[in-house]
Amino acid sequence: AQSVTQLDSHVSVSEGTPVLLRCNYSSSYSPSLFWYVQHPNKGLQLLLKYTSAATLVKGINGFEAEFKKSETSFHLTKPSAHMSDAAEYFCVVTGSGGYNKLIFGAGTRLAVHP
Amino acid sequence: DVKVTQSSRYLVKRTGEKVFLECVQDMDHENMFWYRQDPGLGLRLIYFSYDVKMKEKGDIPEGYSVSREKKERFSLILESASTNQTSMYLCASSRPSGRVVVNEQFFGPGTRLTVL
Repeated sequence: AQSVTQLDSHVSVSEGTPVLLRCNYSSSYSPSLFWYVQHPNKGLQLLLKYTSAATLVKGINGFEAEFKKSETSFHLTKPSAHMSDAAEYFCVVTGSGGYNKLIFGAGTRLAVHP
Repeated sequence: DVKVTQSSRYLVKRTGEKVFLECVQDMDHENMFWYRQDPGLGLRLIYFSYDVKMKEKGDIPEGYSVSREKKERFSLILESASTNQTSMYLCASSRPSGRVVVNEQFFGPGTRLTVL
């Protein structure tokens, strides 16, 4: 069965320091993986997606993620946090019913301090 | 610009009422989805529709039904609202996905439903 675990429910960083949001997945087939971001009072927006091409995926706003099959991980990183990055981030894997359904992690709330 | 709209941002209903949540997308997408979002649980799929009049149960369909009479519109129905259905409800749409091409889901802004 497909599942995804976000290892931190809250992450707090200072502006200008690196961001690391951790995600592990479990899948019985070659999955596709996504990171979505949700800013306060807004809908979810796709940050990036992995679909079995390059293992290092670049997304919007300077974010990137690396697919590591041996570690079943898909961690999200950014070299330098900006105040506008404060939001909730969801790691997502394609579901066991096929590639149309998605399984969401519980979310990581990122706080960025001046 | 792609757009998914939901009929209400906030809704307050009483226990036992019948509740309709409406979602409209303007991207001509085949797939539409209803999720609920609760703190610490992420998003959970309630129902999925892959075509007009077609639907599949998601992970938590109990207490909900759906209707898709037109391609652009997908309705979530709470036949008899209960307090444990107080939540944020998110609608999404996408093109069909497969092993070769996995398409992103586009989300609406959400409806925060409170059942008293």
